[in-house]
Amino acid sequence: DIQMTQSPSSLSASVGDRVTITCRASQGIRNDLGWYQQKPEKAPKRLIYAASSLQSGVPSRFSGSGSGTDFTLTISSLQPEDFATYYCLQNNSFPLTFGGGTKVEIK
Amino acid sequence: EVQLVDSGGDLVQPGGSLRLSCAASGFTFSNYWMSWVRRAPGKGLEWVASIKQDGSQKYYVGSVKGRFTISRDNAKNSLYLQMNSLRAEDTAVYYCASQFASSSHYWGQGTLVTVSS
Repeated sequence: DIQMTQSPSSLSASVGDRVTITCRASQGIRNDLGWYQQKPEKAPKRLIYAASSLQSGVPSRFSGSGSGTDFTLTISSLQPEDFATYYCLQNNSFPLTFGGGTKVEIK
Repeated sequence: EVQLVDSGGDLVQPGGSLRLSCAASGFTFSNYWMSWVRRAPGKGLEWVASIKQDGSQKYYVGSVKGRFTISRDNAKNSLYLQMNSLRAEDTAVYYCASQFASSSHYWGQGTLVTVSS
């Protein structure tokens, strides 16, 4: 099984800050990775697919990069509505696996 | 408008059974792999199972193998998850989701399963 190690598990940031979240896969997954945002009591929402493609309708302050084993989600200027939990998901091979999550809180 | 509507969640005793449903509309359901994902209280997201467009391939996370069965009815645009021998650790909100590898990607609103005596 492919393990996805996500870091940090939580962070505190201010509105306007640049935020970076990383995921490392235990083996190469090409670019078969998505990034998801989840707010309390809501379904997850995909932000990025294929490691770096912005999902339609998602603000351009979100970006993704990486290939193989190392991936990054960047929020260029954190907005109030961005405070949430973020997950990576590898869809390269079954069983699909999520990272442990990163909770982004207000500083 | 694309919609995935999850239903069937309930309070069930340990060892019991439950069948979840996901009704799809607004897209060509039969063209997509479909999956179930869950989030247990205080935990992160966990992929549970996936099924190919024609139902010919099914995959499960290890902790539910032999207890859960994913299925679909393309004529009814519906996805199902039959859950047997339920355990306390199966308590979670369950979401259906469409193909992760596609640029078009949708989620249901979730349905709560509580396993408790």
